[in-house]
Amino acid sequence: DTEVTQTPKHLVMGMTNKKSLKCEQHMGHRAMYWYKQKAKKPPELMFVYSYEKLSINESVPSRFSPECPNSSLLNLHLHALQPEDSALYLCASSRGQGALHSGNTIYFGEGSWLTVV
Amino acid sequence: SQQGEEDPQALSIQEGENATMNCSYKTSINNLQWYRQNSGRGLVHLILIRSNEREKHSGRLRVTLDTSKKSSSLLITASRAADTASYFCATDEDTGFQKLVFGTGTRLLVSP
Repeated sequence: DTEVTQTPKHLVMGMTNKKSLKCEQHMGHRAMYWYKQKAKKPPELMFVYSYEKLSINESVPSRFSPECPNSSLLNLHLHALQPEDSALYLCASSRGQGALHSGNTIYFGEGSWLTVV
Repeated sequence: SQQGEEDPQALSIQEGENATMNCSYKTSINNLQWYRQNSGRGLVHLILIRSNEREKHSGRLRVTLDTSKKSSSLLITASRAADTASYFCATDEDTGFQKLVFGTGTRLLVSP
């Protein structure tokens, strides 16, 4: 069982909709991540938050907007998505960022399946 | 960006047999980790090996790391049907940020 909780598990949205994916962890971790995974492909990093500040944005289109309201929560706001954005979106967390935390286990949630129609 | 490749892409074995998966990567790393993913589920951390280590064991898992060849292998001994999953290596690049980059993955099927 994962200690990273993602909601919703499944989401179907139209290209004009605005929706959000939510992620929560209560392990006291200060780094949180969004990954995107297409079918039969490896996960690809989208965003990294460290101490509630965005530290890595892997050139993700602006129709994806991350938000970290506090150290336990991570949101991914979705607007004007395209059908090719349909994928499994994985949230993850770890104790921290930076060289001191290298090698920390990264814990993943079960993911949110997104279908854009 | 994708760090490297895994080999084989798919592996089919019988219960009780050993399964070996290989991972190659491209850049200098702090550590290499192996993850397991059941179909359509999240990833589960299996084992981490640091760049100054050559071999590590955890239960039925054995991981090796050869930094000169930029490669790693995962051996699962005495496989079980429940080991059926996709296995990914992931490298933590030496950039000052903990940024996991995943390999292409190996789909393992263990038949009873």
